[in-house]
Amino acid sequence: DGGITQSPKYLFRKEGQNVTLSCEQNLNHDAMYWYRQDPGQGLRLIYYSQIVNDFQKGDIAEGYSVSREKKESFPLTVTSAQKNPTAFYLCASSMPQGGPRRPYEQYFGPGTRLTVT
Amino acid sequence: SQQGEEDPQALSIQEGENATMNCSYKTSINNLQWYRQNSGRGLVHLILIRSNEREKHSGRLRVTLDTSKKSSSLLITASRAADTASYFCATDLKETSGSRLTFGEGTQLTVNP
Repeated sequence: DGGITQSPKYLFRKEGQNVTLSCEQNLNHDAMYWYRQDPGQGLRLIYYSQIVNDFQKGDIAEGYSVSREKKESFPLTVTSAQKNPTAFYLCASSMPQGGPRRPYEQYFGPGTRLTVT
Repeated sequence: SQQGEEDPQALSIQEGENATMNCSYKTSINNLQWYRQNSGRGLVHLILIRSNEREKHSGRLRVTLDTSKKSSSLLITASRAADTASYFCATDLKETSGSRLTFGEGTQLTVNP
């Protein structure tokens, strides 16, 4: 089955620790995205990557880091510099290989709920 | 600030009624998309409407786009309890390069059986 997987579903960390959220896709999509969602609110873009070995900051990149070494994988690290990391994190992908550059629909993973205490 | 702003923030209706949600945006777009999110889950794409289109249908969904008013509406006809979810509009802005979308704050729809 094609899709996007995120792991783990729930993650608990102590304040001051870095934590890495996993996102894998087998849809052969070029572009991948990380969003943060706080309770009752919309999605805010953290980082996105349009191609392997390249990524851009979104609207709230401070305190986060990413890598895109493989087309299928786009891990997000929440660093200790992120002041309020407790949130629901969503990964998405889009743009089939060779397609036009404008956004197509985004396919979302099930999300990871991170709680930092 | 959020580009897409949905209205209303919350909507509660009875099964069988129609539900209308609105989205306004500030700058020119290439296309606008609507997504649905069940509680605690990822988003699911519903429909995409391009800037040169005025109306689009998909099953019980009808989307309109008025670029002169910078607004879009999503109509769900003959609603069902299973339609209970949050609905988000997302805009592909002309001013941004690359492949990003800008999401609104969402409308929480509750359909009562």
